[in-house]
Amino acid sequence: QLAVTQSPSASASLGTSVKLTCTLSSGHSRFPIAWHQQRPEKGPRYLMKINSDGSHNKGDGIPGRFSGSSSGAERYLTISSLQSEDEADYFCQTWGNGINVVFGGGTKLTVL
Amino acid sequence: QVQLVQSGAEVKKPGASVKVSCKASGYTFTSHYLHWVRQAPGQGLEWMGIINPSGGATSYAQKFQGRVTMTSDTSTSTVYMELTSLRSEDTAVYYCARDFELQQLGGFDYWGQGTRVTVSS
Repeated sequence: QLAVTQSPSASASLGTSVKLTCTLSSGHSRFPIAWHQQRPEKGPRYLMKINSDGSHNKGDGIPGRFSGSSSGAERYLTISSLQSEDEADYFCQTWGNGINVVFGGGTKLTVL
Repeated sequence: QVQLVQSGAEVKKPGASVKVSCKASGYTFTSHYLHWVRQAPGQGLEWMGIINPSGGATSYAQKFQGRVTMTSDTSTSTVYMELTSLRSEDTAVYYCARDFELQQLGGFDYWGQGTRVTVSS
């Protein structure tokens, strides 16, 4: 069954980097994913699509501090030079297996 | 620029129906599928279904089949999501989102601002 899993929380200090992980379910390691950011009391915002080869396509206006990569069934979102405005929930999403879209449970990022 | 503008908040009684609209602009309306996603208070994102504005074909998540209907109006570049037989568990913010692929399933690159639906007696 197509699914993605995420750690529920992460934290890092202002000005440092953090790497968030999204793991695809068994048998789906070549699927692409998309990352979305949701700040408190706001709607989701698309960050980027990440392919199995690590190539990624960012959304409009997404700063260069945000980058993506891939290894096996894992897809990563790295945020460098952390700012207070990066404190948010980060959701990954995948699609396929017919017409099916699934989201991870989200990672709550705290900027210390 | 691409925009998805949704209708305003709704309060409904259990058993009633709600219809939420999503007006698209800034791109060719029929080129991209549109999705509906909801988020219950304090919870994650839940995909409800997809509509192809070109022709109106739909596919719904199994959980919502029989209770949800998605339609599109190409004359106004608007899609609608109607959910019937509402219960308290349907209290959530409902989002429309554009698929970033051209006429095929992909991820989402633009989101509406959300519509809060409250189901309460």
